[in-house]
This record gives sequence, C-alpha cells and structure tokens, in this order.
Amino acid sequence: AAGVIQSPRHLIKEKRETATLKCYPIPRHDTVYWYQQGPGQDPQFLISFYEKMQSDKGSIPDRFSAQQFSDYHSELNMSSLELGDSALYFCASSLGGTSGRRRETQYFGPGTRLLVL
Amino acid sequence: AQSVAQPEDQVNVAEGNPLTVKCTYSVSGNPYLFWYVQYPNRGLQFLLKYITGDNLVKGSYGFEAEFNKSQTSFHLKKPSALVSDSALYFCAVRVLNYGQNFVFGPGTRLSVLP
Repeated sequence: AAGVIQSPRHLIKEKRETATLKCYPIPRHDTVYWYQQGPGQDPQFLISFYEKMQSDKGSIPDRFSAQQFSDYHSELNMSSLELGDSALYFCASSLGGTSGRRRETQYFGPGTRLLVL
Repeated sequence: AQSVAQPEDQVNVAEGNPLTVKCTYSVSGNPYLFWYVQYPNRGLQFLLKYITGDNLVKGSYGFEAEFNKSQTSFHLKKPSALVSDSALYFCAVRVLNYGQNFVFGPGTRLSVLP
C-alpha cells in the first residue's frame, strides 16, 4: 500500500538559507501533521492541516511556515535557517481531521533529515 | 496494513485513583510499541517503549505499560493519577518491515479531576 512520501530525504543547507520540505499524504488522507525530531530528542509537533486549513499549531518557529495544497500535499518552508534547525522532520497523514470528532491513525513518513552547516 | 486503535476518545479519573489508557494494535511482524504524551500547545513527549524482554515496561512520571502479545494490547497505566497528568496520550507502533515508520493511534484525552 502507498505510504506517506517525503522529499527530499536528505538536505544540507547553510545558516541563513531557506529550505522547503514536501509531504505527500496517503491517497484520500485529508490531514497532514509536521513534527521535528532533534538528535536524541522526542518528536515535537509543529503544525497540522485539515482540508487545506491550519487546524492545530504547536512549537513551530515564526521563521517557518507551512501550507496544504488542493491535492492535499503539504510543504514546510523554513527561512533564516539556524544550526539548531538540524533535525529529522516527519510528516504524518490521517483521515478525518484533528478535533471535533474521532481522529484516525496517523501514518508517518520516513522523514527528511536536514543538516544546517 | 498497520494500525493502532485507542478505543476511548476520553478517559476521566479522580485524582489518586488508578488510571488506564487502552491501546491495541494490528501489525504484521514484531512491533516496537511506544506511548507519547502531548500537553496543550506542546509537542509529543516520550513516555515509554517496549522493544523486547519484560512485558511490563516502566516509564517517565510513574507510568507503566504492559505488552500483551495474545491480545495485541499495550495499555498505559498509573497506580495513582495526578491532576497534572491531564493531557493527550498517543500510542504508537513501529515495525521494521514497514520502513521503520511510526504509526500513531488517534489519541486519548485524559482528564484527572481534583
């Protein structure tokens, strides 16, 4: 079965550069979540989208922005990169939204490993 | 397909009473099982995990979970609940032959009443 696709899988950037991470959810899934996992740390929830609208916001820095497009794929835009942004960025998808009704299983992608030099 | 079920959207328990948050899973292969907690406006925090060995796993903040292979369950427990335990709890599974990706359950909201 098709899984969540993330691209690129690896990315190297320098300080103050920008980066764009892409996430393609499982077909028919309408909800996308972004997580950041630093070295030796737990995944931290950044932001989520349901039906192309932001649904929940976590610890996403102001330098980052994200959106969900009409085909339900999502992009995480990261500007003015800092060394501390080096991490594994996971995208997850589910069917059914994040609040107000029962949420479905979140399926995680393989992650994008970002290294900021 | 791999899946994780948390049959209760909401669990209410009085402070000082024992609590249980239920989790069942369906995977092909040997699972690695996790519990995470999410407090309001914060990211996921790791509580505990089962990889292999003793079926009873002890984790952070006094929580523990028991792996039951025959029932494919990994329920989270705590002998005496605190009001500060009120949060959203996620069960997750990771399976090596599924690309090591996490599959999270939908979450259970725990409310501990004073």
